[in-house]
Amino acid sequence: GIQVEQSPPDLILQEGANSTLRCNFSDSVNNLQWFHQNPWGQLINLFYIPSGTKQNGRLSATTVATERYSLLYISSSQTTDSGVYFCAVVTGGSTLGRLYFGRGTQLTVWP
Amino acid sequence: EAQVTQNPRYLITVTGKKLTVTCSQNMNHEYMSWYRQDPGLGLRQIYYSMNVEVTDKGDVPEGYKVSRKEKRNFPLILESPSPNQTSLYFCASSFFSLGGGTEAFFGQGTRLTVV
Repeated sequence: GIQVEQSPPDLILQEGANSTLRCNFSDSVNNLQWFHQNPWGQLINLFYIPSGTKQNGRLSATTVATERYSLLYISSSQTTDSGVYFCAVVTGGSTLGRLYFGRGTQLTVWP
Repeated sequence: EAQVTQNPRYLITVTGKKLTVTCSQNMNHEYMSWYRQDPGLGLRQIYYSMNVEVTDKGDVPEGYKVSRKEKRNFPLILESPSPNQTSLYFCASSFFSLGGGTEAFFGQGTRLTVV
């Protein structure tokens, strides 16, 4: 199946810093989503972004499908941004609709 | 409010005692699926359903059953739970599209411990 690689695996920031998380995927995708898993384990939808750029407050994301990567930008980090960020993709064919997840980036923001 | 609701959120049970984790969505989604999340292994798909009465295995279906009798509900059944099924479980739903699906929404998760 498709490989989804996220980097860095761990990121430690001080409050107020900016960061960029990367997601590379090994094959063409139909859809791509970014999730935040909070300390309580819930998966929160951040972006549905098969291509292009989107912004939501301090967060923005860009997907370049032709080059098989997506970036998640977090500006002015806050302690509430801590948690694990996952990238997940959907491919076509026999696995239509199924999400393939990366291993995530563990973000820790210190006050 | 559009949502996917899982119950229970937390469950501790004993080996061999049948249990059901319920999942319900109110978005009229065709596609529903179950994932389990384990340290070091990430999220893996257990079963999925593309519509009522249509279900199929994901990557790790052993020890699980599902049914899809109504569009909104997709329960996960563990007929004889074992300790290796201790995990964090997620239900997800989305519209189904031949183009590859649409935005998926996840339930709050069910943390299951089998002793």
